[in-house]
Amino acid sequence: EPEVTQTPSHQVTQMGQEVILRCVPISNHLYFYWYRQILGQKVEFLVSFYNNEISEKSEIFDDQFSVERPDGSNFTLKIRSTKLEDSAMYFCASKQNTLRLNYGYTFGSGTRLTVV
Amino acid sequence: AQKVTQAQTEISVVEKEDVTLDCVYETRDTTYYLFWYKQPPSGELVFLIRRNSFDEQNEISGRYSWNFQKSTSSFNFTITASQVVDSAVYFCALKGTGNQFYFGTGTSLTVIP
Repeated sequence: EPEVTQTPSHQVTQMGQEVILRCVPISNHLYFYWYRQILGQKVEFLVSFYNNEISEKSEIFDDQFSVERPDGSNFTLKIRSTKLEDSAMYFCASKQNTLRLNYGYTFGSGTRLTVV
Repeated sequence: AQKVTQAQTEISVVEKEDVTLDCVYETRDTTYYLFWYKQPPSGELVFLIRRNSFDEQNEISGRYSWNFQKSTSSFNFTITASQVVDSAVYFCALKGTGNQFYFGTGTSLTVIP
């Protein structure tokens, strides 16, 4: 079964450093998402991306965050200057291009980001 | 407003007992989808089920069953004859016509051998 692949599985970074989290969505999917989960808390929406632009973002997704799809296969989340509170599990998700708008979401296995 | 409430924070059961995880949702959308995900200790989100708002039929898949009731805005999940491998955090989620999933805060299930 097709998978959404996220790398690395765990990343440790120093506060203030830039970090890039990588995701390879399922090849025929056209809608992409990032979510995060602070340890022990619920999963929160960050941003959605379609047709090479952000279609929706939450208040969490401030100027420190950016997303891009640089080469047509990878979908990246960049945090410019990490803070301790950015420590979380980050999940990538992608969705089929289908008229059934709420169908076919697949989540990656997550990247655990630890900011020290 | 879109909201999912999982009132049970932690549940412990003894192996082979049945357990029901509650999920109550709020939405103004007439078309929406409800999901359950399992998050084992390794951290990934494992898809369990998707149910659309027009299909209130209950579903059974092996030891898992789901009870969707629009009248009470609930989408409860029952595990029959629980096993130690069922120990995980379970998330209920709602998706309306927008782009976002709305997750509940999760229920941590511990199955004691």
